[in-house]
Amino acid sequence: GAGVSQSPSNKVTEKGKDVELRCDPISGHTALYWYRQSLGQGLEFLIYFQGNSAPDKSGLPSDRFSAERTGGSVSTLTIQRTQQEDSAVYLCASSSSRGTYNEQFFGPGTRLTVL
Amino acid sequence: KQEVTQIPAALSVPEGENLVLNCSFTDSAIYNLQWFRQDPGKGLTSLLLIQSSQREQTSGRLNASLDKSSGRSTLYIAASQPGDSATYLCAASNYGGSQGNLIFGKGTKLSVKP
Repeated sequence: GAGVSQSPSNKVTEKGKDVELRCDPISGHTALYWYRQSLGQGLEFLIYFQGNSAPDKSGLPSDRFSAERTGGSVSTLTIQRTQQEDSAVYLCASSSSRGTYNEQFFGPGTRLTVL
Repeated sequence: KQEVTQIPAALSVPEGENLVLNCSFTDSAIYNLQWFRQDPGKGLTSLLLIQSSQREQTSGRLNASLDKSSGRSTLYIAASQPGDSATYLCAASNYGGSQGNLIFGKGTKLSVKP
Protein backbone atom coordinates (compact mmCIF):
# COMPACT_ATOMS: atom_id res chain seq x y z
CA GLY A 1 0.00 0.00 0.00
CA ALA A 2 0.90 3.66 -0.18
CA GLY A 3 1.33 4.15 3.55
CA VAL A 4 1.50 2.40 6.89
CA SER A 5 -1.76 0.72 7.80
CA GLN A 6 -2.96 -0.49 11.19
CA SER A 7 -5.86 -2.58 12.32
CA PRO A 8 -8.20 -2.42 14.04
CA SER A 9 -8.68 1.33 14.20
CA ASN A 10 -10.52 0.98 17.51
CA LYS A 11 -10.52 -1.82 20.05
CA VAL A 12 -12.56 -2.01 23.22
CA THR A 13 -11.76 -4.85 25.57
CA GLU A 14 -12.38 -5.94 29.12
CA LYS A 15 -9.70 -5.88 31.76
CA GLY A 16 -7.77 -9.15 31.79
CA LYS A 17 -8.33 -10.04 28.13
CA ASP A 18 -5.53 -10.35 25.57
CA VAL A 19 -5.45 -8.11 22.49
CA GLU A 20 -3.52 -8.16 19.22
CA LEU A 21 -2.80 -5.07 17.18
CA ARG A 22 -1.57 -5.29 13.62
CA CYS A 23 0.74 -3.08 11.56
CA ASP A 24 1.48 -3.25 7.82
CA PRO A 25 4.54 -1.11 7.05
CA ILE A 26 5.35 0.63 3.80
CA SER A 27 6.54 -1.96 1.30
CA GLY A 28 10.32 -2.24 1.32
CA HIS A 29 10.85 -0.49 4.64
CA THR A 30 13.26 -2.49 6.76
CA ALA A 31 12.64 -0.76 10.07
CA LEU A 32 9.37 -0.92 12.04
CA TYR A 33 8.54 0.81 15.30
CA TRP A 34 5.74 0.68 17.82
CA TYR A 35 4.89 3.69 19.96
CA ARG A 36 2.19 4.41 22.50
CA GLN A 37 0.42 7.73 22.97
CA SER A 38 -1.32 8.11 26.31
CA LEU A 39 -3.30 11.09 27.48
CA GLY A 40 -0.90 13.36 29.34
CA GLN A 41 2.12 11.12 28.68
CA GLY A 42 2.95 12.01 25.13
CA LEU A 43 4.40 9.52 22.67
CA GLU A 44 6.67 6.82 24.03
CA PHE A 45 8.74 4.24 22.20
CA LEU A 46 7.86 0.58 22.75
CA ILE A 47 9.81 -1.68 20.38
CA TYR A 48 11.90 -1.48 17.22
CA PHE A 49 12.58 -4.06 14.48
CA GLN A 50 15.39 -3.59 11.97
CA GLY A 51 15.69 -6.19 9.22
CA ASN A 52 16.61 -9.60 10.60
CA SER A 53 18.30 -8.23 13.72
CA ALA A 54 17.00 -8.98 17.20
CA PRO A 55 14.35 -6.40 18.10
CA ASP A 56 15.06 -3.61 20.55
CA LYS A 57 12.50 -4.20 23.30
CA SER A 58 13.86 -1.59 25.68
CA GLY A 59 10.65 0.48 25.65
CA LEU A 60 8.18 -2.26 26.53
CA PRO A 61 6.56 -1.30 29.86
CA SER A 62 6.04 -4.83 31.18
CA ASP A 63 6.32 -8.50 30.23
CA ARG A 64 2.63 -8.43 29.30
CA PHE A 65 3.69 -6.67 26.11
CA SER A 66 5.30 -8.51 23.22
CA ALA A 67 5.64 -8.04 19.48
CA GLU A 68 6.72 -10.03 16.51
CA ARG A 69 7.44 -9.27 12.91
CA THR A 70 6.87 -12.08 10.44
CA GLY A 71 8.77 -12.28 7.17
CA GLY A 72 10.27 -8.85 7.71
CA SER A 73 6.96 -7.17 6.98
CA VAL A 74 3.76 -7.32 9.04
CA SER A 75 4.05 -6.85 12.80
CA THR A 76 1.72 -7.79 15.63
CA LEU A 77 1.79 -6.17 19.06
CA THR A 78 0.23 -8.37 21.73
CA ILE A 79 -0.88 -7.18 25.15
CA GLN A 80 -1.74 -9.96 27.57
CA ARG A 81 -4.05 -9.58 30.58
CA THR A 82 -4.86 -5.99 29.67
CA GLN A 83 -5.10 -3.36 32.40
CA GLN A 84 -6.93 -0.03 32.36
CA GLU A 85 -3.62 1.82 32.21
CA ASP A 86 -2.97 0.13 28.84
CA SER A 87 -5.68 2.35 27.31
CA ALA A 88 -3.93 4.50 24.73
CA VAL A 89 -3.41 5.00 21.03
CA TYR A 90 -0.85 2.56 19.68
CA LEU A 91 1.04 3.90 16.69
CA CYS A 92 3.20 2.03 14.24
CA ALA A 93 5.86 3.61 12.03
CA SER A 94 8.24 2.35 9.38
CA SER A 95 11.36 3.72 7.76
CA SER A 96 13.87 2.87 5.09
CA SER A 97 17.51 2.84 6.11
CA ARG A 98 18.61 3.99 2.68
CA GLY A 99 18.93 7.60 1.68
CA THR A 100 16.18 9.00 3.87
CA TYR A 101 18.12 9.29 7.11
CA ASN A 102 15.58 7.19 8.92
CA GLU A 103 12.56 9.40 8.27
CA GLN A 104 9.70 7.65 9.98
CA PHE A 105 6.21 7.39 8.52
CA PHE A 106 3.32 6.69 10.84
CA GLY A 107 0.09 4.79 10.53
CA PRO A 108 -3.27 6.10 11.77
CA GLY A 109 -3.02 4.20 15.04
CA THR A 110 -5.20 1.82 17.00
CA ARG A 111 -7.17 3.33 19.86
CA LEU A 112 -7.33 0.76 22.67
CA THR A 113 -9.84 1.15 25.48
CA VAL A 114 -9.68 -1.25 28.41
CA LEU A 115 -12.85 -1.24 30.49
CA LYS B 1 19.10 10.13 28.40
CA GLN B 2 17.61 12.31 25.71
CA GLU B 3 14.73 14.57 26.73
CA VAL B 4 12.74 16.73 24.34
CA THR B 5 10.73 19.75 25.44
CA GLN B 6 8.34 21.90 23.47
CA ILE B 7 7.25 25.37 24.46
CA PRO B 8 4.58 26.67 24.44
CA ALA B 9 2.14 23.83 25.04
CA ALA B 10 -0.56 25.79 23.22
CA LEU B 11 -0.60 28.79 20.93
CA SER B 12 -3.44 30.77 19.39
CA VAL B 13 -2.82 33.26 16.58
CA PRO B 14 -4.91 35.16 14.03
CA GLU B 15 -4.81 34.04 10.44
CA GLY B 16 -1.93 35.47 8.41
CA GLU B 17 0.58 35.70 11.24
CA ASN B 18 4.04 34.25 11.01
CA LEU B 19 4.88 32.07 14.01
CA VAL B 20 7.66 30.03 15.56
CA LEU B 21 7.35 26.79 17.50
CA ASN B 22 10.20 25.84 19.78
CA CYS B 23 11.78 22.49 20.55
CA SER B 24 14.75 21.82 22.83
CA PHE B 25 16.70 18.64 23.46
CA THR B 26 19.22 17.71 26.13
CA ASP B 27 21.64 15.45 24.23
CA SER B 28 23.29 17.08 21.21
CA ALA B 29 24.43 13.69 19.79
CA ILE B 30 21.35 13.40 17.64
CA TYR B 31 21.12 11.58 14.31
CA ASN B 32 18.24 13.67 13.05
CA LEU B 33 15.31 15.74 14.22
CA GLN B 34 11.85 15.34 12.76
CA TRP B 35 8.81 17.61 12.94
CA PHE B 36 5.33 16.12 12.72
CA ARG B 37 1.79 17.36 12.58
CA GLN B 38 -1.06 15.52 14.31
CA ASP B 39 -4.71 16.30 13.68
CA PRO B 40 -7.28 15.25 16.31
CA GLY B 41 -7.89 11.50 16.28
CA LYS B 42 -5.33 10.97 13.53
CA GLY B 43 -1.81 9.61 13.19
CA LEU B 44 1.32 11.68 12.63
CA THR B 45 2.19 13.37 9.37
CA SER B 46 5.89 13.99 8.77
CA LEU B 47 6.57 17.62 7.91
CA LEU B 48 10.33 18.03 7.85
CA LEU B 49 13.42 16.03 8.78
CA ILE B 50 16.73 17.72 9.53
CA GLN B 51 19.86 15.60 9.49
CA SER B 52 22.48 16.24 12.16
CA SER B 53 24.80 17.77 9.56
CA GLN B 54 22.18 20.26 8.36
CA ARG B 55 21.07 23.56 9.82
CA GLU B 56 17.67 23.94 8.20
CA GLN B 57 15.06 22.44 5.90
CA THR B 58 12.24 24.12 4.03
CA SER B 59 8.96 22.90 2.60
CA GLY B 60 6.50 25.44 1.30
CA ARG B 61 5.53 27.79 4.15
CA LEU B 62 7.45 25.72 6.68
CA ASN B 63 11.07 26.16 7.69
CA ALA B 64 12.77 24.10 10.37
CA SER B 65 16.15 24.94 11.84
CA LEU B 66 18.55 22.94 13.97
CA ASP B 67 21.24 24.20 16.33
CA LYS B 68 22.91 21.20 17.93
CA SER B 69 25.27 23.24 20.08
CA SER B 70 22.40 24.95 21.88
CA GLY B 71 20.11 21.92 21.74
CA ARG B 72 17.35 23.73 19.90
CA SER B 73 15.15 23.42 16.85
CA THR B 74 12.48 25.79 15.63
CA LEU B 75 9.61 25.36 13.20
CA TYR B 76 8.69 28.57 11.42
CA ILE B 77 5.27 28.77 9.79
CA ALA B 78 4.74 31.68 7.41
CA ALA B 79 1.38 33.30 6.72
CA SER B 80 -0.55 30.93 8.96
CA GLN B 81 -3.94 29.58 7.85
CA PRO B 82 -6.84 28.01 9.78
CA GLY B 83 -5.91 24.71 8.13
CA ASP B 84 -2.60 24.82 10.00
CA SER B 85 -4.47 24.24 13.25
CA ALA B 86 -3.14 20.99 14.73
CA THR B 87 -0.67 19.70 17.30
CA TYR B 88 2.96 19.96 16.21
CA LEU B 89 5.44 17.45 17.58
CA CYS B 90 9.19 17.40 17.36
CA ALA B 91 11.19 14.24 17.86
CA ALA B 92 14.90 13.45 18.09
CA SER B 93 16.63 10.29 16.98
CA ASN B 94 19.90 9.43 18.72
CA TYR B 95 22.98 7.45 17.86
CA GLY B 96 23.70 4.24 19.71
CA GLY B 97 21.57 2.13 22.00
CA SER B 98 18.05 2.23 20.62
CA GLN B 99 19.33 3.82 17.45
CA GLY B 100 16.46 4.85 15.28
CA ASN B 101 13.63 5.21 17.75
CA LEU B 102 12.29 8.72 18.18
CA ILE B 103 12.06 10.63 21.44
CA PHE B 104 9.13 12.99 21.33
CA GLY B 105 8.24 16.27 22.93
CA LYS B 106 4.70 16.66 24.21
CA GLY B 107 3.76 18.97 21.37
CA THR B 108 2.46 22.46 20.78
CA LYS B 109 -1.25 22.74 20.05
CA LEU B 110 -1.69 25.47 17.46
CA SER B 111 -4.96 27.23 16.77
CA VAL B 112 -5.15 29.66 13.86
CA LYS B 113 -8.27 31.78 14.00
CA PRO B 114 -9.91 33.15 10.85
